[in-house]
Amino acid sequence: AQKITQTQPGMFVQEKEAVTLDCTYDTSDQSYGLFWYKQPSSGEMIFLIYQGSYDEQNATEGRYSLNFQKARKSANLVISASQLGDSAMYFCAMRVRMDSNYQLIWGAGTKLIIKP
Amino acid sequence: NAGVTQTPKFRILKIGQSMTLQCTQDMNHNYMYWYRQDPGMGLKLIYYSVGAGITDKGEVPNGYNVSRSTTEDFPLRLELAAPSQTSVYFCASSYRVANEKLFFGSGTQLSVL
Repeated sequence: AQKITQTQPGMFVQEKEAVTLDCTYDTSDQSYGLFWYKQPSSGEMIFLIYQGSYDEQNATEGRYSLNFQKARKSANLVISASQLGDSAMYFCAMRVRMDSNYQLIWGAGTKLIIKP
Repeated sequence: NAGVTQTPKFRILKIGQSMTLQCTQDMNHNYMYWYRQDPGMGLKLIYYSVGAGITDKGEVPNGYNVSRSTTEDFPLRLELAAPSQTSVYFCASSYRVANEKLFFGSGTQLSVL
């Protein structure tokens, strides 16, 4: 079965500390993609970072990096030097092929609260 | 830059009423999607479209209908609203490959009472 698991419902982190948000996935596909999205309290979904299954280097986008461990089927998001504005829900998603098209499978999310 | 525009932002329906959630994008994206987000859950795909005139069911299509007569517009129709359809609805689009980086609308909070 194709599945995304985010085991941390909520996290509290002190401002300026690094944060790791966990994401594990299950798929039998050889080609897939992994995404992280941020959802602030205002509700919109914001793309953060993408990792393809064949990418050998971990993806980075500014303060965001994706710790991709293929053998362990994990794709953890690392936020360096956290800021108060990082407080939000964070969703991990996996792109897999279903029937004749691609679909995204979403995790349940992690609520991150940054403490001043 | 408008991006993906959804209307309305909030709506309360009575059981059995119908309504259409509007979605339009100005990025010339081929792929468009409707998701619903229930409290404490990830997104679930309702319907998607790979281009004008082509739509297909997602994971939770029952109780909904869509059409895609133009590249820009992808309305979602709720027929005979039920309390189980209380949710936040998101429209999204992407350009080249289905499910590459998605651009999302701001969401519609729908309550069915």
